[in-house]
Amino acid sequence: DGGITQSPKYLFRKEGQNVTLSCEQNLNHDAMYWYRQDPGQGLRLIYYSQIVNDFQKGDIAEGYSVSREKKESFPLTVTSAQKNPTAFYLCASSTDLGLAGDTQYFGPGTRLTVL
Amino acid sequence: GQQLNQSPQSMFIQEGEDVSMNCTSSSIFNTWLWYKQDPGEGPVLLIALYKAGELTSNGRLTAQFGITRKDSFLNISASIPSDVGIYFCAGGDRGSTLGRLYFGRGTQLTVWP
Repeated sequence: DGGITQSPKYLFRKEGQNVTLSCEQNLNHDAMYWYRQDPGQGLRLIYYSQIVNDFQKGDIAEGYSVSREKKESFPLTVTSAQKNPTAFYLCASSTDLGLAGDTQYFGPGTRLTVL
Repeated sequence: GQQLNQSPQSMFIQEGEDVSMNCTSSSIFNTWLWYKQDPGEGPVLLIALYKAGELTSNGRLTAQFGITRKDSFLNISASIPSDVGIYFCAGGDRGSTLGRLYFGRGTQLTVWP
């Protein structure tokens, strides 16, 4: 089945450690996105990538890094510089075909807890 | 970033009732989308709207893309317990290049049996 997978579902990290969240899609989508969700908040954009080897900062990129070496994969690293990393992280992807490219499809999310 | 105002913030209704929620923006969007999110899961796309004035249905759900391109609403008819969740609106600003989505803060829907 086509879709977006994120792993792990739950992740615990000690303060001061970097951690990488995985996002893979087999939808052949060009664009991929990372969002952060906090309770009672909408989704805030961290980074997005339109094509391989290219990505742009979103609204809250500080303390995060990404790479896009393959079309199918867009891993997110939460670094120790991120001051409040405990949150629910969502990965999404979309095509690059006209207005339909605005339609993003989401993965199941990773809940990161910093201990 | 652009701000979407989604209301109401929460709704408590009885099974069988109809539900209406809306989203407004100070900016024009080319696309309006509605998603539903269950606890601990990713948002699932319900309806996508690509044209001003467009009215689209998906089962008991109906959504409209406002004529001014600054608003959208979602109606749910004859609600059932599985409608419980958070509903998000999103506006897309795709122009000549790949755009991005801006999200409302969500409407938490609770359905009493």
